[in-house]
Amino acid sequence: QQQVKQSPQSLIVQKGGISIINCAYENTAFDYFPWYQQFPGKGPALLIAIRPDVSEKKEGRFTISFNKSAKQFSLHIMDSQPGDSATYFCAASPCNAGNMLTFGGGTRLMVKP
Amino acid sequence: GAVVSQHPSRVICKSGTSVKIECRSLDFQATTMFWYRQFPKKSLMLMATSNEGSKATYEQGVEKDKFLINHASLTLSTLTVTSAHPEDSSFYICSAQPGLAGVETQYFGPGTRLLVL
Repeated sequence: QQQVKQSPQSLIVQKGGISIINCAYENTAFDYFPWYQQFPGKGPALLIAIRPDVSEKKEGRFTISFNKSAKQFSLHIMDSQPGDSATYFCAASPCNAGNMLTFGGGTRLMVKP
Repeated sequence: GAVVSQHPSRVICKSGTSVKIECRSLDFQATTMFWYRQFPKKSLMLMATSNEGSKATYEQGVEKDKFLINHASLTLSTLTVTSAHPEDSSFYICSAQPGLAGVETQYFGPGTRLLVL
């Protein structure tokens, strides 16, 4: 059973455009929602994360929007650049569960110059 | 920032051999380390949680006798794939967490690509 569903699986955006990746979850015990960026042959790196007490968090060109009632959260990449081309994973972690992360299926982003 | 290393970065072995993958936290002590498996173009699947000085906790469906995990020190966890077969070929990634820190401080290693012929 996939606890965190991510869409789209792949995304092509023109340079300067906005990349939007969505995730939905079922487990209401999740209380930490990070996004990771992974380049080919590398481990994932934390990009930005949010907790349910806020609806939005912005760090530079990256913004997380969080909708607790809909159990959805999304990543927005503003002014997308070719260097942003990577695979992005959303994840979720429940409180009091040993800090285990459940990952979404991933989105392969390609930003065309 | 915190650094987690893995060794080797890639390994090719014959079917039936055992392969050991090391995960090290270079600038912090990691009470907990996690091992993930990632197939091509797929997501990361948690295999097991490794706590220093105690037995690893394996996820459902992961054979503990097949994937041996040893977390003998606060900076080193090892994953041994015993009697490896072609279906074990995958990208293995570890993550490490300092002391009693929360999930926000979980750092990932660069991964080890295993190819079993």
